[in-house]
Amino acid sequence: GQNIDQPTEMTATEGAIVQINCTYQTSGFNGLFWYQQHAGEAPTFLSYNVLDGLEEKGRFSSFLSRSKGYSYLLLKELQMKDSASYLCAVVDSNYQLIWGAGTKLIIKP
Amino acid sequence: ETGVTQTPRHLVMGMTNKKSLKCEQHLGHNAMYWYKQSAKKPLELMFVYSLEERVENNSVPSRFSPECPNSSHLFLHLHTLQPEDSALYLCASSQELGGGGSDTQYFGPGTRLTVL
Repeated sequence: GQNIDQPTEMTATEGAIVQINCTYQTSGFNGLFWYQQHAGEAPTFLSYNVLDGLEEKGRFSSFLSRSKGYSYLLLKELQMKDSASYLCAVVDSNYQLIWGAGTKLIIKP
Repeated sequence: ETGVTQTPRHLVMGMTNKKSLKCEQHLGHNAMYWYKQSAKKPLELMFVYSLEERVENNSVPSRFSPECPNSSHLFLHLHTLQPEDSALYLCASSQELGGGGSDTQYFGPGTRLTVL
């Protein structure tokens, strides 16, 4: 079967750096998405990786290793507004999105 | 981001009621999706429409009935639901179905459904 694993919950301090990991086993691979979802709101697109390596976008960066079936989202200079759930999703060989259960990130002052 | 809107935002209904959820996208996209989001579970894809044609139904119970009258609007008709159907129902749209791995889905804020 297809599977996406990410930690259920993480806690970090304002101003610090946090890394949210995502591992996957899917039938085929056509890219990996990260979304941010604040409580009671829509998931919003953060990043898309299809090639190995690091993509940087402001305070957020996303890394992919296809050989290891692994990605991470790196958040720098954490702010209170970064408290949210972060969803990892993989595009499989049928171009369907396979979703992880999400990681709830709690930022403390 | 107000490209995808959903109404109502909250809905409480009894098991014998009939209600409908509405989704509208203002992005000119050709594909629309209904998802169910339950606490601590992955998003569950329910229905997919491409150019108003239903292309996927992931074994969803018949008490959920989708309707796509045009490429901008999507409905989810609900009848005789069960308490376990209580969840957040999300609508999304993308440019094309199967338009390549980078075809990003844009989500509405969801309808929080409670079935008593």
